[in-house]
Amino acid sequence: DVKVTQSSRYLVKRTGEKVFLECVQDMDHENMFWYRQDPGLGLRLIYFSYDVKMKEKGDIPEGYSVSREKKERFSLILESASTNQTSMYLCASSFLGQGAFRSNEQFFGPGTRLTVL
Amino acid sequence: EDQVTQSPEALRLQEGESSSLNCSYTVSGLRGLFWYRQDPGKGPEFLFTLYSAGEEKEKERLKATLTKKESFLHITAPKPEDSATYLCAVPGSGGGADGLTFGKGTHLIIQP
Repeated sequence: DVKVTQSSRYLVKRTGEKVFLECVQDMDHENMFWYRQDPGLGLRLIYFSYDVKMKEKGDIPEGYSVSREKKERFSLILESASTNQTSMYLCASSFLGQGAFRSNEQFFGPGTRLTVL
Repeated sequence: EDQVTQSPEALRLQEGESSSLNCSYTVSGLRGLFWYRQDPGKGPEFLFTLYSAGEEKEKERLKATLTKKESFLHITAPKPEDSATYLCAVPGSGGGADGLTFGKGTHLIIQP
C-alpha cells in the first residue's frame, strides 16, 4: 500500500511565525506535490517537485517555499504565516509520467489543517 | 487554461437509487483523467484513471467512463457508505510531473 504521511493533522500558529509542514512517502515516487484546499475554491496546487532539489511553482506559490533534500521527503515552508494561509494542506506523490502522453495517479496524505491566528 | 467542471454540486439519493456524476474538462492534450473520493477531514482517495475516449473502469458499485469532453462516474445501487465528495482532476499539459487541476467536486449523500 502506498503510504504518504504528514507531520501533523492539526496545527495552530501565530501571524508572522515560520511554519514547516513535512511530508514523507514510502513508494519511491519521483514526484511530490503540495496543495491547499479551501471551501468553494477546491484543491489548488502550490508547488511540486520531480526530483531531489528540483522544484516548480504551481498555481498559487506566493508566500510559500519548498525543500526536497531527499527523494522521500518534501517540505512546505510558510516564511511568515498570515491569516489567509489558514487552510487544509495536502501532500501527494506519484511516479513520473510518460512525458506528453500520460501522467500517473497521485496518492494523497491525510492532510494538515493549519490555523493561523 | 485547463478547466474542470463538475455537476451537480450536491446530490442526495435514496439507498439503491442509481445515478451519475459528471465531469467536463478542457485541456490541450489529455494525459489522463483521475477520479478521487474524499471523506470529511481526510485526504482524497484514488479511485480510477482513464486515458482514452471510450475507456471504462469499474470498482464495486462505481464505474467511470470517458469521452473526448467529459467523464461520468456512475454509481449503481449505492449504499450509505458511498456518501462522500467525489473529485475529478486532469494533469497539466506540460508533460512530466505536472500537478492536477481539480473540479470543485460533487457532494454525494446516500440516505438509508
